[in-house]
Amino acid sequence: EVQLQESGPGLVKPSQSLSLTCSVTGYSITSNYWGWIRKFPGNKMEWMGYISYSGSTSYNPSLKSRISITRDTSKNQFFLQLNSVTTEDTATYYCARYPYRDYFDYWGQGVMVTVSS
Amino acid sequence: DIVLTQSPVLAVSLGQRATISCRASQSVSISSINLMHWYQQKPGQQPKLLIYRASNLASGIPARFSGSGSGTDFTLTIDPVQADDIAAYYCQQSRESPPTFGAGTKLELK
Repeated sequence: EVQLQESGPGLVKPSQSLSLTCSVTGYSITSNYWGWIRKFPGNKMEWMGYISYSGSTSYNPSLKSRISITRDTSKNQFFLQLNSVTTEDTATYYCARYPYRDYFDYWGQGVMVTVSS
Repeated sequence: DIVLTQSPVLAVSLGQRATISCRASQSVSISSINLMHWYQQKPGQQPKLLIYRASNLASGIPARFSGSGSGTDFTLTIDPVQADDIAAYYCQQSRESPPTFGAGTKLELK
């Protein structure tokens, strides 16, 4: 069974970088596409970007200058880095499998990140 | 970006039919392929894929869930509604990048 698990700090200071890890079991990240999605307080959801089976990436233009998604295939993990965070980046962050760059069929449980001094 | 509009709340009685709608700001269909998907989310849990490409039931999802629609108007139907279905429901389009989500419809009991 495909399982995803996010990990990372729950509190980040403004202007710093947010770094999260998504650990995948039951499926290789060298197949398919893998995305990051966040859900803000108030329930709005935003797709942040993806990394492909080959390591190519695509990002939401709203974040393009601040976001980076990378991977470690030896650990079957992929990563999110979001730079220069503000309080508006406070959200629950999810990683998910993104077949055909179409829908999200397996999700991690999510990690809540608060940006606050 | 394509904007998806959902009604915030739908009140329904157990055993009745619930019809949740999602309207897109432009067509999300290509030929006969309807690039709209539906998720269920309960408090404290991750979203769960229910329906993909408008009408295809995701793996393990009960047959009381169904989806329909094309172009700009889509519907998720739950019939009959069970207590376990009380949750928020989100639509998501993949016609254009970036993929976007609706704001969600909270299904409540009457």
